[in-house]
Amino acid sequence: DSGVTQTPKHLITATGQRVTLRCSPRSGDLSVYWYQQSLDQGLQFLIQYYNGEERAKGNILERFSAQQFPDLHSELNLSSLELGDSALYFCASSVGGAGEAFFGQGTRLTVV
Amino acid sequence: GQQVMQIPQYQHVQEGEDFTTYCNSSTTLSNIQWYKQRPGGHPVFLIQLVKSGEVKKQKRLTFQFGEAKKNSSLHITATQTTDVGTYFCAGKISSGSARQLTFGSGTQLTVLP
Repeated sequence: DSGVTQTPKHLITATGQRVTLRCSPRSGDLSVYWYQQSLDQGLQFLIQYYNGEERAKGNILERFSAQQFPDLHSELNLSSLELGDSALYFCASSVGGAGEAFFGQGTRLTVV
Repeated sequence: GQQVMQIPQYQHVQEGEDFTTYCNSSTTLSNIQWYKQRPGGHPVFLIQLVKSGEVKKQKRLTFQFGEAKKNSSLHITATQTTDVGTYFCAGKISSGSARQLTFGSGTQLTVLP
């Protein structure tokens, strides 16, 4: 158990819909990262937050947005969903901007 | 853009054979991390290298960080079926005030018994 909690574990939704993925980082970790992993693909960095503020942005679509709340949990919002958005979405946390990242179990999103 | 390339993408070995995966960055890295993702699982941190030319060992695994801090390798001696999974390198790229962990595409290792 990494200490990072992601909910839900699985999500099936239709094209055009909007979903919210939730992440609770390890206790004491200030950084939260979001990654997308498509089938048999690598980890695509989406966005990083540090202590409530956006720190770095990767290949995140305009249809996607995220935020980190004062209690440090984070949410990733995906809207106008397309079939190609089907993937495993991982959240990871670390103490600061450096150091090892601890990954959650991921949320498997299926868009039908 | 800044990228971390990893080769090979796939590797099949016979149990007992050695295995190596290579990681190359287009820019100098402040550090490099290695992760292992078992099938159906999530990436798990293995190790972090910080110093130029650093070599670290964990049992049958040997990790190296290049002198220029742009490349790294992971070598597994005498693979076992428990080594099956995808190995990712991740480089910490410093860009202004932001620090971003950029993952390589991973090497998927299959160990044949």
